[in-house]
Amino acid sequence: AQSVTQLDSQVPVFEEAPVELRCNYSSSVSVYLFWYVQYPNQGLQLLLKYLSGSTLVKGINGFEAEFNKSQTSFHLRKPSVHISDTAEYFCAVSLLLGGSNYKLTFGKGTLLTVNP
Amino acid sequence: DVKVTQSSRYLVKRTGEKVFLECVQDMDHENMFWYRQDPGLGLRLIYFSYDVKMKEKGDIPEGYSVSREKKERFSLILESASTNQTSMYLCASGGVYSYEQYFGPGTRLTVT
Repeated sequence: AQSVTQLDSQVPVFEEAPVELRCNYSSSVSVYLFWYVQYPNQGLQLLLKYLSGSTLVKGINGFEAEFNKSQTSFHLRKPSVHISDTAEYFCAVSLLLGGSNYKLTFGKGTLLTVNP
Repeated sequence: DVKVTQSSRYLVKRTGEKVFLECVQDMDHENMFWYRQDPGLGLRLIYFSYDVKMKEKGDIPEGYSVSREKKERFSLILESASTNQTSMYLCASGGVYSYEQYFGPGTRLTVT
């Protein structure tokens, strides 16, 4: 079975400060990793994904994440946050079930609050 | 742009009612998913479908059923709504081999 742990349920930061949102996963097979963002009263939007290749992945809105296989982590970072980055962030792992079939397992989310 | 639409943003139903939540995607995706989202619990998979007329149970299927008669449409059915089914329901779709999912705006269901 696979699982995703987001180590912080809430992260408050000041505007223009750097931020790291932590994600660890467990899986016995190869995985694909994702970060999604949810703004208030909206659905989830894909921020970035790791499927293969370079372990440093760049996404939208200046976010990036690094896949670390030995530590089974996929932490999300941004060097300087804006008020508009206030949202809930979800880490997810995709498990390939066979053929083209897959499903996502999500972490419980991290609420990022950017204060002026 | 991929578009996933859900029939209602807000819905209020009474205990015991039969509830239908509709989801439509316009990208010809094979895969469709229903989740519920609760504070502190993240997203939990209820049911998913890889093809028309095909369905698979997710992690929390009890009290729910689904229907997929057409490729673009995936319906979630609460046969007899209960107050513990008050939640945000999110639909998603995804193509073959892309492994990522595209989400609708969600339906906030309140059962009284």
